Parts: sequence; C-alpha cells; structure tokens
Amino acid sequence: GAVVSQHPSRVICKSGTSVKIECRSLDFQATTMFWYRQFPKKSLMLMATSNEGSKATYEQGVEKDKFLINHASLTLSTLTVTSAHPEDSSFYICSARARGIQETQYFGPGTRLLVL
Amino acid sequence: QQPVQSPQAVILREGEDAVINCSSSKALYSVHWYRQKHGEAPVFLMILLKGGEQKGHEKISASFNEKKQQSSLYLTASQLSYSGTYFCGTENAGNTPLVFGKGTRLSVIA
Repeated sequence: GAVVSQHPSRVICKSGTSVKIECRSLDFQATTMFWYRQFPKKSLMLMATSNEGSKATYEQGVEKDKFLINHASLTLSTLTVTSAHPEDSSFYICSARARGIQETQYFGPGTRLLVL
Repeated sequence: QQPVQSPQAVILREGEDAVINCSSSKALYSVHWYRQKHGEAPVFLMILLKGGEQKGHEKISASFNEKKQQSSLYLTASQLSYSGTYFCGTENAGNTPLVFGKGTRLSVIA
C-alpha cells in the first residue's frame, strides 16, 4: 500500500515557539494532502486541505495565520504551528490522496505535539 | 456532515463476531473504513463506492446499502489484534475530504 511519512513523531516545545511538521508521500504522488487534529479518545478533525502549488483550504474555526500550510511539491506538505500555546498540544496527522478517482486517504504515523 | 457510528464501544471475547454501523442522513459518494490503535495513525481497511457493494478483507468485511446511506463493518471470529478504534470516513462527493464518525472502540479479550 501507499506509504506516508511524518516528521517529527514527537515534539516538545516551549510556549511561544513555532513548530514545523513535515508530511511526505514516499511512493506515490499526492494530488491532495490533508491535515487532521485528534484529541485523546476523540475523532479526527479536519483542519485543512492542501493542494500542490495552491493555497490551502481551511476548515471553519481553524486559524490560517496560526496553522501555516505549505504544499511545495506532489510529495511534501508542511504544517507550521506558529507561536504555539499549551492548548495547541495534540496529535496531528496528515494524510495523502493519490491520483485517481477511487483512491482513499493514506495516513502518516502522526506527530504528537506537547507545548509547555 | 459527520456520519453517526454505532455502537460507541463493544467488548468481545476472542472468536466472537461484531458489527459496526455508519450512517448518514444523505446519500454518500463513498465510505472508507479505518482502524486505529492507541497512539498510532489510522490504518486503511477498505473503501466502498457502489450501492449494494460488499467487500471482504480476510475475516473483516463491509457492506454499503443500496441507498448509500449506511455502511456496516463485519468482524467475524475476532482476534486480539482486532482491538482498536474503528472509524468510518465518508465523502459526499468525489475527491472531497473525508469526514469521520466519532469512532467505535472495540476491545477483544482472551
């Protein structure tokens, strides 16, 4: 199956700093990448949809200036949490969709962010 | 619109069967099933696109009803490795982001 990597897997940072999370599709070209956030024992909440070479589409309630998304190529998307605060602590998961009309989303292993 | 999953949680003994349901108030384009273990990302199980479709994956299979408003995931002769949270993700149209249900926590005990 398709493989999606995410880096880093865990990060601890101080309040006020910025954190960048990378999402890569390793063996396929991803036309679209998605960023989700998940709280403990909760469902996956879509934050934004990212298409290569264009601006990301953010879901209602997600701050564009706080969660910067860049989709530089068909295999790489990055999420930067700017000026992180403790309430941004969460499990962030990216997923990628391959070209084709009957493709599912393949998830990366996730990044656990803890803001102190 | 978030699909509704039921039950919220289920406990099985090894070898028992379970059914997890995912329903929507509107016709869906597709249903995707995932299993997530604690601390890990969701793992894709299967996708259903056509009304009336049934698919199997070893002892795990799923159906998508004719009206395309409900899907069920069937787990037969459950194994300890089946434990986890099962999510259905739905699309209202092609190539749109998946919207996930709240999940069904399945625990298989010896």
